[in-house]
Amino acid sequence: GQNIDQPTEMTATEGAIVQINCTYQTSGFNGLFWYQQHAGEAPTFLSYNVLDGLEEKGRFSSFLSRSKGYSYLLLKELQMKDSASYLCAVREGNYQLIWGAGTKLIIKP
Amino acid sequence: GAVVSQHPSWVICKSGTSVKIECRSLDFQATTMFWYRQFPKQSLMLMATSNEGSKATYEQGVEKDKFLINHASLTLSTLTVTSAHPEDSSFYICSARDGTSDHYEQYFGPGTRLTVT
Repeated sequence: GQNIDQPTEMTATEGAIVQINCTYQTSGFNGLFWYQQHAGEAPTFLSYNVLDGLEEKGRFSSFLSRSKGYSYLLLKELQMKDSASYLCAVREGNYQLIWGAGTKLIIKP
Repeated sequence: GAVVSQHPSWVICKSGTSVKIECRSLDFQATTMFWYRQFPKQSLMLMATSNEGSKATYEQGVEKDKFLINHASLTLSTLTVTSAHPEDSSFYICSARDGTSDHYEQYFGPGTRLTVT
């Protein structure tokens, strides 16, 4: 079956680093996405990994290990505005995404 | 970047009435659009996938006669919630995929908050 697991909630301190993990079990794999969603708003795209390794984009980095069915999103130099839910999604076929339940990240001063 | 709009952004309707939500891709051709529903503190739930000019593919458990989807053009898809009930109150979000490019990303609309009284 299809399954994507993320921690429900995480807390971190402003200025620190946080790693949000995502493990997946899907019948196919054609890329993994990370989205950020602020409360009451639609998701916004953060990153995309289809090959193993680390993709860095400013303060955010995303890592993928296909053999382990594992990804993480790394957020550095945390800011209060980073408080949001972070959604992991796997694309099985051409375009449909299988979504995780999301990780609510709380940033404290 | 690609922009997707939704209208209305919020709507309140009475039980038993129908509500239409529009999703438009403003600067690209969206051969495929997706409709999601999201309840408070829960993740996105895919309701249906629509391809321009063909019938939508509904996810298991989603009533196609209740949630009518039309994707008549490459820039517009509509979701009509028929005979709405309070349990249909939710945040409805559409996303679109640019079928003319190799870009992999789905672009999300800002969402429509539906409240059925």
